[in-house]
Amino acid sequence: GAVVSQHPSWVICKSGTSVKIECRSLDFQATTMFWYRQFPKQSLMLMATSNEGSKATYEQGVEKDKFLINHASLTLSTLTVTSAHPEDSSFYICSARVPSTSGTLVYEQYFGPGTRLTVT
Amino acid sequence: AQRVTQPEKLLSVFKGAPVELKCNYSYSGSPELFWYVQYSRQRLQLLLRHISRESIKGFTADLNKGETSFHLKKPFAQEEDSAMYYCALSGLSGNTPLVFGKGTRLSVIA
Repeated sequence: GAVVSQHPSWVICKSGTSVKIECRSLDFQATTMFWYRQFPKQSLMLMATSNEGSKATYEQGVEKDKFLINHASLTLSTLTVTSAHPEDSSFYICSARVPSTSGTLVYEQYFGPGTRLTVT
Repeated sequence: AQRVTQPEKLLSVFKGAPVELKCNYSYSGSPELFWYVQYSRQRLQLLLRHISRESIKGFTADLNKGETSFHLKKPFAQEEDSAMYYCALSGLSGNTPLVFGKGTRLSVIA
């Protein structure tokens, strides 16, 4: 199946600094990627939909000026947490949407391993 | 509103016992339902989706539109089934973002 990587896998930063998380599709091109956030022992919450070459679509309640998303190529989307604060500490997961290989008009999503962000 | 409900946070069963992980949903339209699994220290991966009508690792799930349910079942649980299971939905064909339930942790006891 398709492989999605994330870098870094974990990061610790000081309050007020910015952190960039990369999401790459390794062996396929993804016009659409999704960014999720997962708090401990909770489910994945969609933050935004990232479309190659256009602005990301943010979910209600997600600050687009704080969580900057750039999808500059068909294999890379980045999430930058600007002026991070301790409440931004979380597990961030990306996924890439690809057409199914079954030949039918359906899509599949492949998930990255996640990035754990800790803001001190 | 789109919503996925998994009523059980934790489900413990003995090896060889039947397993049923419950999932109910609300969606205006025709959704596509999925089950994702996350084994310890691994990424989230697709287990099955309702349109495929497959049995993966012995698991099956039937979409019941009348009850708006998509329960995951396996007749005989194995220790390696222990994991976190998430029910999710999207628009038909899977072309919209996934909405996840809160997940159920399955623990299979030897």
